[in-house]
Amino acid sequence: DVKVTQSSRYLVKRTGEKVFLECVQDMDHENMFWYRQDPGLGLRLIYFSYDVKMKEKGDIPEGYSVSREKKERFSLILESASTNQTSMYLCASSFLRGTEAFFGQGTRLTVV
Amino acid sequence: AQRVTQPEKLLSVFKGAPVELKCNYSYSGSPELFWYVQYSRQRLQLLLRHISRESIKGFTADLNKGETSFHLKKPFAQEEDSAMYYCALFSGGYNKLIFGAGTRLAVHP
Repeated sequence: DVKVTQSSRYLVKRTGEKVFLECVQDMDHENMFWYRQDPGLGLRLIYFSYDVKMKEKGDIPEGYSVSREKKERFSLILESASTNQTSMYLCASSFLRGTEAFFGQGTRLTVV
Repeated sequence: AQRVTQPEKLLSVFKGAPVELKCNYSYSGSPELFWYVQYSRQRLQLLLRHISRESIKGFTADLNKGETSFHLKKPFAQEEDSAMYYCALFSGGYNKLIFGAGTRLAVHP
């Protein structure tokens, strides 16, 4: 059973804090993705990675960075959290070609 | 640019009625298209993909390259189909998986 695990279910952070969201998968998937999910806007791709130490910008990368030092772990970093980054964050992984993506349970981040 | 459009935010039907959730895409290459579903308090999960041409939980979707559409259909909706449905496009050239805005399906008894 594929597992994609996000380190926190809920987070509350203050404006200006540096925030780390962690995601780990156990299926040796090459691709990993970070999305934010907002009502009416669906899932918007922030960053993705197709290999260790490789990263590509998605559609809304501003204010975020990522790190992939190991194949199984993909971290999303909010350099200086702002209130407009309050959202549900979803991590996903898949094999290299367009096969099924498996999702984590999500992290609901509130920036106050 | 790659884009996925789901024009309906909400689709409300009665049990037993047919359902069609619309999805249009924009992609210059050969698309790989998916439907994902998120039931209340559950993770997003794959419902079906166009290459497998299968029916899952009574749902089917046909890729129409001429109309750049991948609509999801079910002849008789059930209450347990109530969920959020997302159409997704994998653009192999860029290794990106992008989603539409989603359609909430509400099936009433």
